[in-house]
Amino acid sequence: ETGVTQSPTHLIKTRGQQVTLRCSSQSGHNTVSWYQQALGQGPQFIFQYYREEENGRGNFPPRFSGLQFPNYSSELNVNALELDDSALYLCASSLSSGSPETQYFGPGTRLLVL
Amino acid sequence: RKEVEQDPGPFNVPEGATVAFNCTYSNSASQSFFWYRQDCRKEPKLLMSVYSSGNEDGRFTAQLNRASQYISLLIRDSKLSDSATYLCVVKGRNAGNMLTFGGGTRLMVKP
Repeated sequence: ETGVTQSPTHLIKTRGQQVTLRCSSQSGHNTVSWYQQALGQGPQFIFQYYREEENGRGNFPPRFSGLQFPNYSSELNVNALELDDSALYLCASSLSSGSPETQYFGPGTRLLVL
Repeated sequence: RKEVEQDPGPFNVPEGATVAFNCTYSNSASQSFFWYRQDCRKEPKLLMSVYSSGNEDGRFTAQLNRASQYISLLIRDSKLSDSATYLCVVKGRNAGNMLTFGGGTRLMVKP
């Protein structure tokens, strides 16, 4: 196991609602990246946090926002949920902002928006 | 055009077969290249990095052609346990840990 945990494992919401997903990074890792993986597609980068600051963002609207806490755990918040937000949300933690070989993914949160 | 393109498959092969996957990327500034493996309903896991000189890890061989912006993965002597989706991944220069994934190629190895 990677030591990266995510909660909840599954979630069902309705359109317009808001959701918060959580990620605990591997001990000592200070960078967390979030990805969205729609069914049958590869993960898409949402954003990355490094030492509590956003450090890069993919092509996602502002209703996708995040936080990183002093213990380097992280939250992904999505407001005004849309049907297309249904996906597997993955977080990945790493030791620094430039070492993908040591980036480990959590098991993901499956979000279904009805 | 997607930044990283892969044939989605599925590739159905018998045990013991050799199978090759290809991937093309559009950003010539891409710096690092990887193959990830993703089992059904699981998270992606790093299979191997890909170097310009080519590299091998047991039954797996990865090649990179920067001129053609093309990456390949060869699996020899396929095992049932190799059945998974293989994701081609690139990272740009100064992109932190942002990884750009292809859509994945599904492999099914049959007895």
